Amino acid sequence: KAGVTQTPRYLIKTRGQQVTLSCSPISGHRSVSWYQQTPGQGLQFLFEYFSETQRNKGNFPGRFSGRQFSNSRSEMNVSTLELGDSALYLCASSFGDSNQPQHFGDGTRLSIL
Amino acid sequence: GQNIDQPTEMTATEGAIVQINCTYQTSGFNGLFWYQQHAGEAPTFLSYNVLDGLEEKGRFSSFLSRSKGYSYLLLKELQMKDSASYLCAASPPNTNAGKSTFGDGTTLTVKP
Repeated sequence: KAGVTQTPRYLIKTRGQQVTLSCSPISGHRSVSWYQQTPGQGLQFLFEYFSETQRNKGNFPGRFSGRQFSNSRSEMNVSTLELGDSALYLCASSFGDSNQPQHFGDGTRLSIL
Repeated sequence: GQNIDQPTEMTATEGAIVQINCTYQTSGFNGLFWYQQHAGEAPTFLSYNVLDGLEEKGRFSSFLSRSKGYSYLLLKELQMKDSASYLCAASPPNTNAGKSTFGDGTTLTVKP
């Protein structure tokens, strides 16, 4: 079956702009989590959506937001971009039970100029 | 909260055995995941331990000791393709599913 799909793969933006990233989970998965990965900070949890509701949230500022649609697809939005937002943004889907592994997409590489 | 510690880098020789350790301190804990991430690629699931003991899966095995807050990933008969980052992640109680806390990863380099 198809894996987790993230679009776009690469994105270049300038400071102050906003960006929307998309994630299509594996069919049947209702949980979608977003992570930020940087060389210095590792994988940092942003938020998790389950059945269109934000179920968990990490320690990121309000500029980072997301949503989930009825088909479980999810989007993440970052407003007023800062240089420090340059990172690989990974989305992971699962059935939603903590005993189930997460399946990751290839990520969106966001560069802020 | 959850704090997870792993060595930053390790080097081993092709055909050898390597053990990657992970220690954690957590106030709520369900199980321990291991993921493999090749450079420029997505993390992929390797193993999950809920009970104490060793889980073997081919060349890879994972061990958990809840009382010691300790896990390790054992890789046998190392191959060049095993060069990757290995991420240890703690899964919280069920009500917080999908919020795994990841260590910073151990970059393993396998040399001929």
